[in-house]
Amino acid sequence: QSALTQPPSASGSPGQSVTISCTGTSSDVGGYNYVSWYQQHPGKAPKLMIYEVSKRPSGVPDRFSGSKSGNTASLTVSGLQAEDDADYYCSSYAGSNNYVFGTGTKVTVL
Amino acid sequence: EVQLLESGGGLVQPGGSLRLSCAASGFTFSSYAMNWVRQAPGKGLEWVSAISGGGGSTYYADSVKGRFTISRDTSKNTLYLQMNSLRAEDTAVYYCAKTPFPNVGAAHFDYWGQGTLVTVSS
Repeated sequence: QSALTQPPSASGSPGQSVTISCTGTSSDVGGYNYVSWYQQHPGKAPKLMIYEVSKRPSGVPDRFSGSKSGNTASLTVSGLQAEDDADYYCSSYAGSNNYVFGTGTKVTVL
Repeated sequence: EVQLLESGGGLVQPGGSLRLSCAASGFTFSSYAMNWVRQAPGKGLEWVSAISGGGGSTYYADSVKGRFTISRDTSKNTLYLQMNSLRAEDTAVYYCAKTPFPNVGAAHFDYWGQGTLVTVSS
């Protein structure tokens, strides 16, 4: 199972928006509405930000939103804040009780 | 409050074995599937293994199949990962992660532990 493809980096100034893509295949992203996104600060555990493509867990700001079109999912962070500076990983169910993660994107708040 | 605390990591020689533990609290342990996810130094996340809430179903990534065994002890609220025939490429921080359903399948990872570092080197 190959990793989902994400851009290595993305950036924006405080208050701006940034969108991260996550490209897979019809066997994972395109085949299931079970895409999730995780935020990871250096030396810390990942934190769930979005699940089932566009749902936000309790406590996650509504500045974070998710979507999917075909084999590509996206995470948008609106109104960037300093604390959003982190690595972001997408994940998708890949069938047969397997999961695949994305390559990761480093978001820098300028 | 859900808490997951991994332990058991350390330095091991190639070909050696190690058993990781993940102590769970704050939720009914037997009601949820659990996973191990690893992250090599400076690299991305990789799903390793999953086990159903009842423990009867287990699944593995191809990279560890036949070498790693996942298990759980409901009486101790603890998840395990027995790692045998370790290789240099198994070097990583290993996280335990909970899923919000009892069965392994289409889901996500809603809570994560802080991880334990496994280093495979001679």
